[in-house]
Amino acid sequence: EIVMTQSPATLSVSPGERATLSCRASQGVSRNLAWYQQKPGQAPRLLIYGASTRATGIPVRFSGGGSGTEFTLTISSLQSEDFAVYYCQQYNNWPPLTFGGGTKVEIK
Amino acid sequence: QVQLVQSGAEVKKPGASVKVSCEASGYTFTTYAFHWVRQAPGQRPEWVGWINAGNGDTKYSQKFQGRVTITRDTSASTVYMDLSSLRSEDTAVYYCAKTMYQVLIDHWGQGTLVTVSS
Repeated sequence: EIVMTQSPATLSVSPGERATLSCRASQGVSRNLAWYQQKPGQAPRLLIYGASTRATGIPVRFSGGGSGTEFTLTISSLQSEDFAVYYCQQYNNWPPLTFGGGTKVEIK
Repeated sequence: QVQLVQSGAEVKKPGASVKVSCEASGYTFTTYAFHWVRQAPGQRPEWVGWINAGNGDTKYSQKFQGRVTITRDTSASTVYMDLSSLRSEDTAVYYCAKTMYQVLIDHWGQGTLVTVSS
């Protein structure tokens, strides 16, 4: 089973600032990596797939990068609606699908 | 637009079974597959299993093997997850999720809270 590790666990950022989140896979997953955003009481929402492709309707301030074992999600200028928990998930070697532990982006 | 509507919250006693449904609309049901994913409070999502809505093929997490069954009813555009021998650790929100390329999740249901308590 591929273990996904995210860092940091919590990121404190001021509105308008840039946020960079990291995700590491225990073995290579090529570019079969997705990012999801989850707000309290809601289901996750797909942001990025294929490591860098934005899902339909996702603003351009969200960008993804990386391949193999190291990935990043960057939010270029944080808006109030972006404060949430972000999960990475690999879909290269499955079953099982595996998710990272999440990064909570909070208001500084 | 794609909608996944799940059945309501459940409270079960240890040892019981629960069946959660997920009705899909807004696209051709048999074209894509579904995952079931659960999330305990404050925890990361955890994969439970998968079903190909077209041919009914299934895959399950080894953790739940023998306790979980995923089925679908194409006439009702609905998928089901049946989890048996419930224990307190199964308390979680259970999500159905539609796939985009048979594996990648692109839409999620609203979630169903299953509480296991004596």
